[in-house]
Amino acid sequence: QQQVKQSPQSLIVQKGGISIINCAYENTAFDYFPWYQQFPGKGPALLIAIRPDVSEKKEGRFTISFNKSAKQFSLHIMDSQPGDSATYFCAASMTGGSYIPTFGRGTSLIVHP
Amino acid sequence: NAGVTQTPKFQVLKTGQSMTLQCAQDMNHNSMYWYRQDPGMGLRLIYYSASEGTTDKGEVPNGYNVSRLNKREFSLRLESAAPSQTSVYFCASSAQQGSNTEAFFGQGTRLTVV
Repeated sequence: QQQVKQSPQSLIVQKGGISIINCAYENTAFDYFPWYQQFPGKGPALLIAIRPDVSEKKEGRFTISFNKSAKQFSLHIMDSQPGDSATYFCAASMTGGSYIPTFGRGTSLIVHP
Repeated sequence: NAGVTQTPKFQVLKTGQSMTLQCAQDMNHNSMYWYRQDPGMGLRLIYYSASEGTTDKGEVPNGYNVSRLNKREFSLRLESAAPSQTSVYFCASSAQQGSNTEAFFGQGTRLTVV
């Protein structure tokens, strides 16, 4: 059973556009929701993360929107750049208890110049 | 800052051969993980170790064994490699305490089984 569902699987955006990636989770005990960015040939690295006590977190051009009642969260990349082309993974985990990150299946983002 | 170091980076095995993937972290993390990444499947957990001396199965443990040698090192062993184990393998670690459970990943091992 897939605990974290991510969509779309792939996304093509023009430079300057907005990229939006969505994730939904099932386990209400999750309390830490990170997004990881992975460039070809590299391991994933933390991009931005949110906890369910806030509905939005912004870091530069990257914003996480969180909807606790719907059990959904999304990553918005504003003014998308070719350098943002990468695979993005959402994840969920619990502090204490089962802290193991559970990952979505990933979204391959291509930003055209 | 080395972070999480994996060796080797690339490996080609013949069906039935065995090998061990090595992983070491220098961040004093308690928790370590092995994931495999396949196209369209994301990162799937093979085994994890909550602390030195303990290991547990993840989502896809069949065909693998692990050893948590000490707090720094967590190895993954394929006893008899199969073509279905062709994948990119990532080792990761995280702190178990506190409010931040960020996972730090190694660079990956690209394994091909022919």
